Amino acid sequence: DAGVIQSPRHEVTEMGQEVTLRCKLISGHNSLFWYRQTMMRGLELLIYFNNNVPIDDSGMPEDRFSAKMPNASFSTLKIQPSEPRDSAVYFCASSLGGVGNTIYFGEGSWLTVV
Amino acid sequence: GENVEQHPSTLSVQEGDSAVIKCTYSDSASNYFPWYKQELGKRPQLIIDIRSNVGEKKDQRIAVTLNKTAKHFSLHITETQPEDSAVYFCAASGIGAGKSTFGDGTTLTVKP
Repeated sequence: DAGVIQSPRHEVTEMGQEVTLRCKLISGHNSLFWYRQTMMRGLELLIYFNNNVPIDDSGMPEDRFSAKMPNASFSTLKIQPSEPRDSAVYFCASSLGGVGNTIYFGEGSWLTVV
Repeated sequence: GENVEQHPSTLSVQEGDSAVIKCTYSDSASNYFPWYKQELGKRPQLIIDIRSNVGEKKDQRIAVTLNKTAKHFSLHITETQPEDSAVYFCAASGIGAGKSTFGDGTTLTVKP
């Protein structure tokens, strides 16, 4: 299995632009997580889905952020409009719900908003 | 909800020494405790995990211990090497809960 696949790996965008990050889950996994990592805040859970349904979005910073799972294997995280404080590494991760819950991370999307 | 505290936040050891990182959790229903290693510029990757029906687990130079009564678990790295330098995260979750709660991470530096 190729693991969790994220795109783009790196993005530099101007303040005010829309950013869309994409994620493909590991085949067979049914839980999907979006994390944000910065030096100041560490690893923050933004939102997680189980069987395509958003279960906990309490970590989503504000209305500028939205996440969707249009199908069981794919998710997007959108920031509109983007701001410099959104600059971070965004990790997507997936797991097979139930006993174990080992989370497998993608390689991350490095976002810089200038 | 679950709360996981991790200590220390930074740890520096000499090559060959042992390193210990400790985590406490709040939810007695948690029963799965993974540890992740994140090298600079890379993603977090699972290095070892333990379930609540086991008190200790070893994998070569790495071991994890769990004390369910006290609600704490620890990562032990023996004979540390420079390539062990990384940020280590502990986490806790319950069966079927889906979501793992992560600690804030420990930056381990192994000096040659």
